[in-house]
Amino acid sequence: EPEVTQTPSHQVTQMGQEVILRCVPISNHLYFYWYRQILGQKVEFLVSFYNNEISEKSEIFDDQFSVERPDGSNFTLKIRSTKLEDSAMYFCASSKGTSGSQETQYFGPGTRLLVL
Amino acid sequence: SQQGEEDPQALSIQEGENATMNCSYKTSINNLQWYRQNSGRGLVHLILIRSNEREKHSGRLRVTLDTSKKSSSLLITASRAADTASYFCATDVGDTGKLIFGQGTTLQVKP
Repeated sequence: EPEVTQTPSHQVTQMGQEVILRCVPISNHLYFYWYRQILGQKVEFLVSFYNNEISEKSEIFDDQFSVERPDGSNFTLKIRSTKLEDSAMYFCASSKGTSGSQETQYFGPGTRLLVL
Repeated sequence: SQQGEEDPQALSIQEGENATMNCSYKTSINNLQWYRQNSGRGLVHLILIRSNEREKHSGRLRVTLDTSKKSSSLLITASRAADTASYFCATDVGDTGKLIFGQGTTLQVKP
């Protein structure tokens, strides 16, 4: 069964450094998402992406964050200058739907980011 | 209260018993999805129920949706130790697929 994959599984970085988290969504999916989960807290929506542009973003997704689909398979989340509070598990998800909603979202295994 | 509140926060049962988890939400939804998360791991999709559906089954899982009460429940029948995990409801409220997650219910099934 097709899966969403994410790399790396773990990343440790120094505060102020740039990080790029990578995701390979399921191949025939059209909508892509990033969520994060701070340890012990609930999963929070960051951004949705469709047709090579952001369709919705949360208040968390400020100018330090960007997303890109550089080729036909990868979907990346870049944090330009990491802060301690960016430490979290970051999940990529994708869905098949033509409208974004009403579709099951399939999540990757996550990247655990630790900012020191 | 927040969109996607779950009850109880923690549940401990014996293997073989049924487990029921509840989710309440505030706004109109397109659908409601239930996910499972083993400790520190990824989110596994369990079931999606649309706003015009009242009940869905998948194996040992039964999900109900009451849009008049803005609530959903997840029933796991004949629980197993391997069902030990956190269970989250997530509501799809807009037109971009954005999911709003609840705080989750931590289920422990004792062998």
